[in-house]
Amino acid sequence: NAGVTQTPKFQVLKTGQSMTLQCAQDMNHEYMSWYRQDPGMGLRLIHYSVGAGITDQGEVPNGYNVSRSTTEDFPLRLLSAAPSQTSVYFCASSSGTGGGYQETQYFGPGTRLLVL
Amino acid sequence: GDSVTQMEGPVTLSEEAFLTINCTYTATGYPSLFWYVQYPGEGLQLLLKATKADDKGSNKGFEATYRKETTSFHLEKGSVQVSDSAVYFCALEGSYNTDKLIFGTGTRLQVFP
Repeated sequence: NAGVTQTPKFQVLKTGQSMTLQCAQDMNHEYMSWYRQDPGMGLRLIHYSVGAGITDQGEVPNGYNVSRSTTEDFPLRLLSAAPSQTSVYFCASSSGTGGGYQETQYFGPGTRLLVL
Repeated sequence: GDSVTQMEGPVTLSEEAFLTINCTYTATGYPSLFWYVQYPGEGLQLLLKATKADDKGSNKGFEATYRKETTSFHLEKGSVQVSDSAVYFCALEGSYNTDKLIFGTGTRLQVFP
C-alpha cells in the first residue's frame, strides 16, 4: 500500500492564481481531511469528508474548495491564492466515518505552498 | 470550544536523558487523546493514544496517561535517543461523535549525542 499520497511536494504561486492540491489514499478509507500547518499554530482543519459525495467545513475553510467524487481522492482547490495561504498542507485519512470511533488518522507527506 | 495547550519548545536534551513534554486540554465530555510525531520532512505519524480516563498509551518507549482530574496527557520517555529528534503534537478528538482532531502547537525535541 502506498498509504496517503500528495502532489505536488512543493509549489510556488503568484497572488490570484489558482491550483489544486491532490490527495489520494489506497486504504479504502471513508474519512479524509485537509489540514494546514503554520509555525506556532499547530495543524488546523480546513475541510473534511466522511465519504464520497459528502464534504464539510473545518476550522479555516475560507479560500478553499473541496469535492469528493471517489473514495480514493480528495483534492483541495485554491481558487485565488493569497499570501496568507502560504503554508504546509497535509491530507489525512482514516477508517472512521465521522462517528468518533477514534480510528487512527494517516497523514500524507505534505505539500509546501508559497504564495508570492 | 475544545483546545489543546502544549509546552513551547524547543526541548534540548542529551542522549539517555529523561523526557517530559506537557500537554493539557480543554474539552466537554470525554475526548480521546493522542500524541503524533513528525520527523523532519515527513507527515505526522500516530505515536500513541488513550481513549478514556486513566488509560495509558505507550509505544517505542514513550508513555502518556490520560488524567481527567488534571486534564493532562503528558508525554514521557525514560531515555531519549538522537533518533527521537522530531516535533511532537498533542491532539484530542472530541467526544461528540466526530473524527476531527484538534492539535496543539507542537513541541520540537532536539537530542544531542
